[in-house]
Amino acid sequence: NAGVTQTPKFQVLKTGQSMTLQCAQDMNHEYMSWYRQDPGMGLRLIHYSVGAGITDQGEVPNGYNVSRSTTEDFPLRLLSAAPSQTSVYFCATRRTVYSNQPQHFGDGTRLSIL
Amino acid sequence: QQQVKQSPQSLIVQKGGISIINCAYENTAFDYFPWYQQFPGKGPALLIAIRPDVSEKKEGRFTISFNKSAKQFSLHIMDSQPGDSATYFCAASRGGETSGSRLTFGEGTQLTVNP
Repeated sequence: NAGVTQTPKFQVLKTGQSMTLQCAQDMNHEYMSWYRQDPGMGLRLIHYSVGAGITDQGEVPNGYNVSRSTTEDFPLRLLSAAPSQTSVYFCATRRTVYSNQPQHFGDGTRLSIL
Repeated sequence: QQQVKQSPQSLIVQKGGISIINCAYENTAFDYFPWYQQFPGKGPALLIAIRPDVSEKKEGRFTISFNKSAKQFSLHIMDSQPGDSATYFCAASRGGETSGSRLTFGEGTQLTVNP
């Protein structure tokens, strides 16, 4: 099993460009989420999903869209990239919708916006 | 609004020493307190977790101490090894909440264990 797979691993964008960060899981987990990691700020939740067709906003959702058409995939879309979105993005899953169990993280996408 | 505060930001210890990382939380409804370990270039991975009905949990060299009245919890790494060098995150959540309960993470502590 691959677990949580994120692509691409690295990306450089220009301000105003759009792109999609991919996240795929093969563990049949109900819950999927996106975090961004910035120095000194820990991990902040962007969006999450409790199942196919169901998404909701996290702590820092502005500038990002998500959708979940299948259990396996949860892409994150940057609509018009801004330098403030330069960050490391992590996708995380867990088996059920409840938080009192392990979250499984991918290895991240390192995104730079020029 | 940072609901979980973590300290120190960075920590350097000698091999064989004890590493201690502290976290404080605000929301008294939190009922699940995990610690995650992250190596460079990798995503965080669950290290150990505790619920507020116990004051301490130990797994090998790693121990969580929990003080409900002070709203604080800490990670102790005994006999610290160079391989423990990583970033550590505390987190908290209301685990029993219905669909979509979320983890709130601390700011992270970069631990370096010198040989």
